[in-house]
Amino acid sequence: GNSVTQMEGPVTLSEEAFLTINCTYTATGYPSLFWYVQYPGEGLQLLLKATKADDKGSNKGFEATYRKETTSFHLEKGSVQVSDSAVYFCALPPSGGYQKVTFGIGTKLQVIP
Amino acid sequence: NAGVTQTPKFRVLKTGQSMTLLCAQDMNHEYMYWYRQDPGMGLRLIHYSVGEGTTAKGEVPDGYNVSRLKKQNFLLGLESAAPSQTSVYFCASSQSGTSYGYTFGSGTRLTVV
Repeated sequence: GNSVTQMEGPVTLSEEAFLTINCTYTATGYPSLFWYVQYPGEGLQLLLKATKADDKGSNKGFEATYRKETTSFHLEKGSVQVSDSAVYFCALPPSGGYQKVTFGIGTKLQVIP
Repeated sequence: NAGVTQTPKFRVLKTGQSMTLLCAQDMNHEYMYWYRQDPGMGLRLIHYSVGEGTTAKGEVPDGYNVSRLKKQNFLLGLESAAPSQTSVYFCASSQSGTSYGYTFGSGTRLTVV
């Protein structure tokens, strides 16, 4: 079945530092890939997605490239802000008849001024 | 745009009491989901629905029931609450198809004492 391996946090960075959160996946075929973000006290929000190999999803300064050769979808941002402090989830869409999105464990990011 | 609205936002129950959590979406989405989020456990799917009048079990359905009488609403019931059901509950909805992400509600924090 599908699986997502995401780096464990927490990750603590200074403001304006470069961010990478690793995500690798196991799946049949070439599914769409997603990153979600959860700010404190809120629900998850879709941050970005890529629907086919070599696609780059981007939003709010974050980027992730769908790499089928390494089955990876790493999240990057060139210069993080305090407001980026949140938990980030990598995810695979439902497959087969069981409508269950496969979420990674979540990586908590704390950005300090 | 309201998106996905969950009520209530907070609730404290005594063991053995019952309650219903309401989820409403205004995006005409076919699919709706109930998740619970617990520290160290990630997001776990409780029940889901692929259309009005349909429901199905997810990973952790025991102790919960659901109904989807109207397309826009998805209700989660706890018939006899237990302390193990203390959690944050999230509702989500999506269009059908695997390239669409989820839209999440802001969550219900439930404590069973």
